[in-house]
Amino acid sequence: QQPVQSPQAVILREGEDAVINCSSSKALYSVHWYRQKHGEAPVFLMILLKGGEQKGHEKISASFNEKKQQSSLYLTASQLSYSGTYFCGTEYSYGQNFVFGPGTRLSVLP
Amino acid sequence: NAGVTQTPKFRVLKTGQSMTLLCAQDMNHEYMYWYRQDPGMGLRLIHYSVGEGTTAKGEVPDGYNVSRLKKQNFLLGLESAAPSQTSVYFCASSYGFGGSSNQPQHFGDGTRLSIL
Repeated sequence: QQPVQSPQAVILREGEDAVINCSSSKALYSVHWYRQKHGEAPVFLMILLKGGEQKGHEKISASFNEKKQQSSLYLTASQLSYSGTYFCGTEYSYGQNFVFGPGTRLSVLP
Repeated sequence: NAGVTQTPKFRVLKTGQSMTLLCAQDMNHEYMYWYRQDPGMGLRLIHYSVGEGTTAKGEVPDGYNVSRLKKQNFLLGLESAAPSQTSVYFCASSYGFGGSSNQPQHFGDGTRLSIL
């Protein structure tokens, strides 16, 4: 059951902030976040586990809201290098395959 | 370290032909995965392996077979290629399974496959 990502696409100017959401109708156990630049492989950003704390590094952070079954990725003071497609991968129980969302395309303009 | 290496990078096949995609990892990971990526669909899991000699079906396994004879290699086979299998195929590996072990997946650069 594929998670829903919103928005589908977003265009920013350098220095602006963005939030990408990943929602599920089923209870989530964990959420992965990956970024993929055009023509390249997806690259791992972070994993959030049920009951875990908000994570982040530099200006990219994420949270996991168990009540809403939703994870949000926060990009602060966006840079040109943040452009790409962001995917969340959701796991519904321990050890079960996780399913990737359809992706959110982020474009950062100078 | 090369990480995850996929061969070939590009291939064009005719309908009905067969081929094998090779994935090799040098990180001593137990878990390996094959995904296909189509526009607007994200990454969909085809098959995966939790260790040498084991394989299991993912979300979209029909038309594909896999083998994991050696820990470092995971092969994806198309027995009779169909135009619907035109896609970009990614291999990935991880130390632990999915998010349960808090371990990320490492992806190869992908194989772009066109079926005419």
